[in-house]
Amino acid sequence: DQQVKQNSPSLSVQEGRISILNCDYTNSMFDYFLWYKKYPAEGPTFLISISSIKDKNEDGRFTVFLNKSAKHLSLHIVPSQPGDSAVYFCAASAEGGSEKLVFGKGTKLTVNP
Amino acid sequence: EAGVAQSPRYKIIEKRQSVAFWCNPISGHATLYWYQQILGQGPKLLIQFQNNGVVDDSQLPKDRFSAERLKGVDSTLKIQPAKLEDSAVYLCASSLRDGYGYTFGSGTRLTVV
Repeated sequence: DQQVKQNSPSLSVQEGRISILNCDYTNSMFDYFLWYKKYPAEGPTFLISISSIKDKNEDGRFTVFLNKSAKHLSLHIVPSQPGDSAVYFCAASAEGGSEKLVFGKGTKLTVNP
Repeated sequence: EAGVAQSPRYKIIEKRQSVAFWCNPISGHATLYWYQQILGQGPKLLIQFQNNGVVDDSQLPKDRFSAERLKGVDSTLKIQPAKLEDSAVYLCASSLRDGYGYTFGSGTRLTVV
């Protein structure tokens, strides 16, 4: 039973364009959501998060949108850069982030120069 | 601030052999997690410690996996005996008690042949 789903295993975009990565969840107890970025041979690194009391959080080129009614969140990267090429994991947690993280399978983003 | 340290980085063993991984969390982080990431999947929580007590080990295959966190600092994860399906990256993460500052180590890549 996958509680966090990333249905696109890969995404390819041109440098300078927008990258949109999607994530769906099924557990209504989740109230804190995170995006992690992972390069090969490294551990996941925290990118951006959002609490369920918000519907948008922005940090530089990265924006996360949360649609609670649809149990859907998305990560927008604008403009995309070749260095953004990595695997992006969506993760969710209950109890405001103090509970364990449940991860999606990841989406491999390739930004072409 | 030093990150989460893990060793070894890589390990190749034959099936039915034993293996142990070590993790040193960020200083002051009360919570320590071990995740298993199989190729093409997101990280899956194996065990969560709060100081030296186990909070969640519901997904730990206890017939072959064991973990301890002596003195509430370093932790070891052991597999005995290993199976082919244990081939994965084993990630250690740590956080403050409330989940703040969640940080992953670089992981140990285990190959069972």
